[in-house]
Amino acid sequence: AQSVTQLDSHVSVSEGTPVLLRCNYSSSYSPSLFWYVQHPNKGLQLLLKYTSAATLVKGINGFEAEFKKSETSFHLTKPSAHMSDAAEYFCVVTGGFKTIFGAGTRLFVKA
Amino acid sequence: GAVVSQHPSRVICKSGTSVKIECRSLDFQATTMFWYRQFPKKSLMLMATSNEGSKATYEQGVEKDKFLINHASLTLSTLTVTSAHPEDSSFYICSASRVAGDQHEQFFGPGTRLTVL
Repeated sequence: AQSVTQLDSHVSVSEGTPVLLRCNYSSSYSPSLFWYVQHPNKGLQLLLKYTSAATLVKGINGFEAEFKKSETSFHLTKPSAHMSDAAEYFCVVTGGFKTIFGAGTRLFVKA
Repeated sequence: GAVVSQHPSRVICKSGTSVKIECRSLDFQATTMFWYRQFPKKSLMLMATSNEGSKATYEQGVEKDKFLINHASLTLSTLTVTSAHPEDSSFYICSASRVAGDQHEQFFGPGTRLTVL
């Protein structure tokens, strides 16, 4: 069985400050983990993915995530938020050909 | 990355009519495609898994006679919402799966906004 939990439904940061979006997962398989971003009324864009290679994964737009097996976590970070980062972020786990989406975290960026 | 398109991007229809949404993988062959539904301010809900040349596998609670899925070729899957009603209004997103070795990755379409009046 697989599950994914995004620990915060909303995160608000000021422009230029760090971003942390938290994700915990469980999986009976060796999971692949992804972060997607969705801007209002848009489709999904892949930010980054972990597929059993390096545990620290770098993605687009300055985002990165670290896979921590001992903590079953895959938190998304960015050193400095930009106004254009305001969007919905989804943590996704796949394994055994099943894909599970987290509930999403809405990121607000204040000027 | 691979490209998946959806058509139309937006559709408005009257209650009782049927609407067809197309999902195409533009630069790879996808034996498996997935259809998701997203309610406002909610996460994506998997509706069904579409396999080329065979019947789709529907998730629990999804009416197969309401949401008809056809996967006639390795690059095209269609979702038809039959006798649409206002409660079917939603954002529908498809994805196509590409297999490389023992890894499979999903590529998502841009979504289709359905509004039923």
